[in-house]
Amino acid sequence: NAGVTQTPKFQVLKTGQSMTLQCAQDMNHNSMYWYRQDPGMGLRLIYYSASEGTTDKGEVPNGYNVSRLNKREFSLRLESAAPSQTSVYFCASSEAWGETEAFFGQGTRLTVV
Amino acid sequence: SQQGEEDPQALSIQEGENATMNCSYKTSINNLQWYRQNSGRGLVHLILIRSNEREKHSGRLRVTLDTSKKSSSLLITASRAADTASYFCATDVQGAQKLVFGQGTRLTINP
Repeated sequence: NAGVTQTPKFQVLKTGQSMTLQCAQDMNHNSMYWYRQDPGMGLRLIYYSASEGTTDKGEVPNGYNVSRLNKREFSLRLESAAPSQTSVYFCASSEAWGETEAFFGQGTRLTVV
Repeated sequence: SQQGEEDPQALSIQEGENATMNCSYKTSINNLQWYRQNSGRGLVHLILIRSNEREKHSGRLRVTLDTSKKSSSLLITASRAADTASYFCATDVQGAQKLVFGQGTRLTINP
């Protein structure tokens, strides 16, 4: 049972490049989330998917897009990376939004130069 | 602005002492959760307390919730070096299907 798996673990991008962060969970959870963590800012919600087939914006959605590919997978895309998107990105999942514990991946450390 | 705010931002105590962290939030919630994050790792769930509960225990952890003051506290008793980590509160906002985190308290246990 792998839990929540994120790939890649580390990535360096040049300004303007695009990339997709992958996230998969094997717990049959309905809800999935993408957060970014910056020093002194805690975790900020980028996008979330309360159930398969739905996605909604969180606190800081600008510059990102998401796809809930199926119940297991929830990807985060940066279309044109900017230095302000340098951060650690975490994917999480839970059985039901907010009502049960969330399980987190190990994070993707992204640097945009 | 974020829903939850932890206080203090950083706390340093001696091993064996108790550590107390507080969380305040702004809107009505269904429940509040506490998470731990070790340096460079993902977050790990510690405890969930529902809005109709006032206190909950799990091992050396004690969580209280005061919905009238929109605040919660996490008490870690008999602290150990392994408790060194950042601690976050998270709330599910009523009417919004999402889990929102505070900025965290960085706890250091000195041997």
